[in-house]
Amino acid sequence: EAQVTQNPRYLITVTGKKLTVTCSQNMNHEYMSWYRQDPGLGLRQIYYSMNVEVTDKGDVPEGYKVSRKEKRNFPLILESPSPNQTSLYFCASSSMGPTNQPQHFGDGTRLSIL
Amino acid sequence: DQQVKQNSPSLSVQEGRISILNCDYTNSMFDYFLWYKKYPAEGPTFLISISSIKDKNEDGRFTVFLNKSAKHLSLHIVPSQPGDSAVYFCAASEVEYGNKLVFGAGTILRVKS
Repeated sequence: EAQVTQNPRYLITVTGKKLTVTCSQNMNHEYMSWYRQDPGLGLRQIYYSMNVEVTDKGDVPEGYKVSRKEKRNFPLILESPSPNQTSLYFCASSSMGPTNQPQHFGDGTRLSIL
Repeated sequence: DQQVKQNSPSLSVQEGRISILNCDYTNSMFDYFLWYKKYPAEGPTFLISISSIKDKNEDGRFTVFLNKSAKHLSLHIVPSQPGDSAVYFCAASEVEYGNKLVFGAGTILRVKS
């Protein structure tokens, strides 16, 4: 089954404790992206990757890091999480850029930073 | 400043009637638009898209209309069904810089049976 898998689905942690949210896709997609969803703001793009070793900033990259060492994986790293990063996070992938092909989204990761 | 605006946070419609969800944008360089649907505890799923060279695109019960002069698009669902109850996100992109999508805040649609 074609899917984008995020882990964990839920996480409560404390300020400053490094965490990683993993994202994996099994569709051999070139493009992967991270979004955060906040009430009244919709989905905002954090980082995206056009291919292995190619990443670029979205609209809200501050406080986040990503890496794309393999095509299927695109982890989101919060080196020193802060309460304003409490949010619902989605990973997405598509065979090409998001306007050429619809994106497939994971089911989301709800992060609470205390 | 939000470049894509969905000014109605929620909409309630009777089953069988038409649902109209609206979206406005401010960036005149946007030339590709998409609608995504999201159920609780799931990720968004693609619904329908439209390029700026068209003013209408239809897929079954779903039709998207684009008015470029007004920088406005709308999604029509006819007839509405209870399973259509979800959050609908409008998204826009500049094709030349098509690696980024800008989403609206979403509209919650409730279809009453």
